[in-house]
Amino acid sequence: DQQVKQNSPSLSVQEGRISILNCDYTNSMFDYFLWYKKYPAEGPTFLISISSIKDKNEDGRFTVFLNKSAKHLSLHIVPSQPGDSAVYFCAASTANQGGKLIFGQGTELSVKP
Amino acid sequence: GAVVSQHPSRVICKSGTSVKIECRSLDFQATTMFWYRQFPKKSLMLMATSNEGSKATYEQGVEKDKFLINHASLTLSTLTVTSAHPEDSSFYICSARGQPESKNIQYFGAGTRLSVL
Repeated sequence: DQQVKQNSPSLSVQEGRISILNCDYTNSMFDYFLWYKKYPAEGPTFLISISSIKDKNEDGRFTVFLNKSAKHLSLHIVPSQPGDSAVYFCAASTANQGGKLIFGQGTELSVKP
Repeated sequence: GAVVSQHPSRVICKSGTSVKIECRSLDFQATTMFWYRQFPKKSLMLMATSNEGSKATYEQGVEKDKFLINHASLTLSTLTVTSAHPEDSSFYICSARGQPESKNIQYFGAGTRLSVL
């Protein structure tokens, strides 16, 4: 049972344009969501997070939007840069699970110059 | 801040031997650390939750006698793959849970590529 889903395995965007990565979840008990960036043969790097009490969180070029009614979140990167090319994972957690994260399958972003 | 160090980055071993992987939180104390396994082009699969001073909590389907976890201090957790076999070859990643103000965030090590011959 995949509780966190990233249905697009890959995304290609032109440098300078917006990248939109999507994530859907099924568990309504999730109350905290995170996005991680991962390069091959490296561990994930934390990017940005959002609590379920909010619908938007912004940090520089990165913005995460949360639509609780649709059980959907998205990560916007603008403007996209070639260095953003990596695999992006969304993750979710619930308050009573001791900090366990449930990860999506990942979306490989390629930003072309 | 929030740096997690994982060693070794790569290990090649013979079938039947044991391999120990270390995970250290360098600039914060981590009461909880996590161990993940990632197969090629797949998501991160949580193997176990490691709590300082107590037994690890293993996810369903993960053999606790095969993957020994020790969390002896607030900055160190170790994963030992015992009697490794080729099917244990994988990318293993640890993470540490952040300080109270960022307790929902996990910070990851760089991962260990294990190849069992």
